[in-house]
Amino acid sequence: NAGVTQTPKFQVLKTGQSMTLQCAQDMNHEYMSWYRQDPGMGLRLIHYSVGAGITDQGEVPNGYNVSRSTTEDFPLRLLSAAPSQTSVYFCASSPVSNSNQPQHFGDGTRLSIL
Amino acid sequence: AQKITQTQPGMFVQEKEAVTLDCTYDTSDQSYGLFWYKQPSSGEMIFLIYQGSYDEQNATEGRYSLNFQKARKSANLVISASQLGDSAMYFCAMREGGDRDDKIIFGKGTRLHILP
Repeated sequence: NAGVTQTPKFQVLKTGQSMTLQCAQDMNHEYMSWYRQDPGMGLRLIHYSVGAGITDQGEVPNGYNVSRSTTEDFPLRLLSAAPSQTSVYFCASSPVSNSNQPQHFGDGTRLSIL
Repeated sequence: AQKITQTQPGMFVQEKEAVTLDCTYDTSDQSYGLFWYKQPSSGEMIFLIYQGSYDEQNATEGRYSLNFQKARKSANLVISASQLGDSAMYFCAMREGGDRDDKIIFGKGTRLHILP
């Protein structure tokens, strides 16, 4: 019962490099989302998706791109990493929108930008 | 404007006492949901309790209950008989919107310390 799987768990990048954070879920959840967690800031929503082919911006979308070609996968792309993007990133999924079902979270990706 | 406000950055509570963690929210939607999550030092997010905007009864889950005051737009988490293992970060979250346009946002959290 894998749930939400995030890879990698840790990553160090240099400023200007690009990378993709992977997120996959095996629960057939329509709703998926990406958050970043910074000290004192809680979890801030980056992008979310209510189904395959549909994505939308959250609270802090600048510097990040997403796509949702399948129900299972929701990768987060950093096109040109900046030190301000150093953070812990969480991917989450939940059943159909407007639901009382909680989100299932991945274990997080700790990303450092030098 | 901040939509989820948790006004207590940190709290210290004696073991076995009850504790209330505050959460106020702002939305113009009639249909919304409120969640509380716990994040221990290990980092995983653990779902605790849910309250729907149309639920007439306050939600309860074991030692957790939610004091939902709709008119005041508050959804405080109450932990009865606190335990050392309750020491963690606690987040309030709101799901608003509807159908295919909803999103879930979080407050900044409250760090709870249970003292022996």
